[in-house]
Amino acid sequence: DGGITQSPKYLFRKEGQNVTLSCEQNLNHDAMYWYRQDPGQGLRLIYYSQIVNDFQKGDIAEGYSVSREKKESFPLTVTSAQKNPTAFYLCASSTQLPSSYNEQFFGPGTRLTVL
Amino acid sequence: AQSVSQHNHHVILSEAASLELGCNYSYGGTVNLFWYVQYPGQHLQLLLKYFSGDPLVKGIKGFEAEFIKSKFSFNLRKPSVQWSDTAEYFCAVNGNAGNMLTFGGGTRLMVKP
Repeated sequence: DGGITQSPKYLFRKEGQNVTLSCEQNLNHDAMYWYRQDPGQGLRLIYYSQIVNDFQKGDIAEGYSVSREKKESFPLTVTSAQKNPTAFYLCASSTQLPSSYNEQFFGPGTRLTVL
Repeated sequence: AQSVSQHNHHVILSEAASLELGCNYSYGGTVNLFWYVQYPGQHLQLLLKYFSGDPLVKGIKGFEAEFIKSKFSFNLRKPSVQWSDTAEYFCAVNGNAGNMLTFGGGTRLMVKP
């Protein structure tokens, strides 16, 4: 089945530690995205990548880093510089074809808790 | 910059009641509009979308939304809700040249059986 996988589902981290969240897609999509979901705030864009080896900051990139070495993979690192990292993280992807009209497909999410 | 407002944060309805969730956006140009739904424990999934043409859009599970350009609104409706509609609903807008979506804050709907 085609889709987006994120791992792990739950992640616990001690303050001061970096942690990497995995996102893999087998939809052959060019574009991938990371969002953070907090209660009452909807989804906020952290980083996005429209092509391999290229990525751009979203609205709340501070304290996060990404890489896009392969088309199917877009890992997110939450660094110790992120002041409030406890949240639900969603990965998404979309095709770049004009007919797609920017519909994004989402993974199941990773819930990160900082202890 | 574009922004999206969902004024109802929590809605509680009884089964068979009618539903209307508000969504307003701020962007002066052409927009693509979406409603996503997140059922408990499940992926965020697309409910319906508007790109052009008929401003009344029909989606899955009996949902529909109407794009009213003059009001910058894209409200979601369903004539008769079911307990299985309990979920969080997100309105999203794409109005710029890239693939970026801007999401509203979400509305939690609880349907009482």
